[in-house]
Amino acid sequence: ETGVTQSPTHLIKTRGQQVTLRCSSQSGHNTVSWYQQALGQGPQFIFQYYREEENGRGNFPPRFSGLQFPNYSSELNVNALELDDSALYLCASSLGAGPEPEAFFGQGTRLTVV
Amino acid sequence: KQEVTQIPAALSVPEGENLVLNCSFTDSAIYNLQWFRQDPGKGLTSLLLIQSSQREQTSGRLNASLDKSSGRSTLYIAASQPGDSATYLCAALSYNTDKLIFGTGTRLQVFP
Repeated sequence: ETGVTQSPTHLIKTRGQQVTLRCSSQSGHNTVSWYQQALGQGPQFIFQYYREEENGRGNFPPRFSGLQFPNYSSELNVNALELDDSALYLCASSLGAGPEPEAFFGQGTRLTVV
Repeated sequence: KQEVTQIPAALSVPEGENLVLNCSFTDSAIYNLQWFRQDPGKGLTSLLLIQSSQREQTSGRLNASLDKSSGRSTLYIAASQPGDSATYLCAALSYNTDKLIFGTGTRLQVFP
């Protein structure tokens, strides 16, 4: 167990809807990164939050947005869901931004868009 | 732009074999390279992390090496067991982005 928890574990949404995924970081970690993993692919970086500020973003449209709270937990919001958004969404926490030695991942949220 | 490639995409071996998984990256300007294990539908479990200044790391039956100059890393699994069956992912932490760039993984099946 890494101490990183994600909720919910599974989710089914309809195209056009909005979804919020949640991540609680490991105790003492102030950085959370979000990744999208399509079936059969490696995880793709969405964005990172460090001390409640966005600290880098991957090649994802603005309808993917996030938030980090004072306790360093984080949310990923996706608006206007598309079928291609179906994927495993992974959250990773670490201590500090930049070249932090090790990221610890949660178990992921499986999102299915129908 | 950093690109990470893993070969082979899939591997099926009998129990007890020693095996090597390969990872290559295009930009040698990395802080570290990390190997993960992923069980079907699950999150990532960190196996080994090699800093850019290191050549290898070992944990139990696992040994990972890093050759920055050639842009390659290998994960060696000794005496494979059915419980090793999973997808193995490598990821490079690049200077340019400060973010992990993942390969597409090697899906390993070890049969009794």
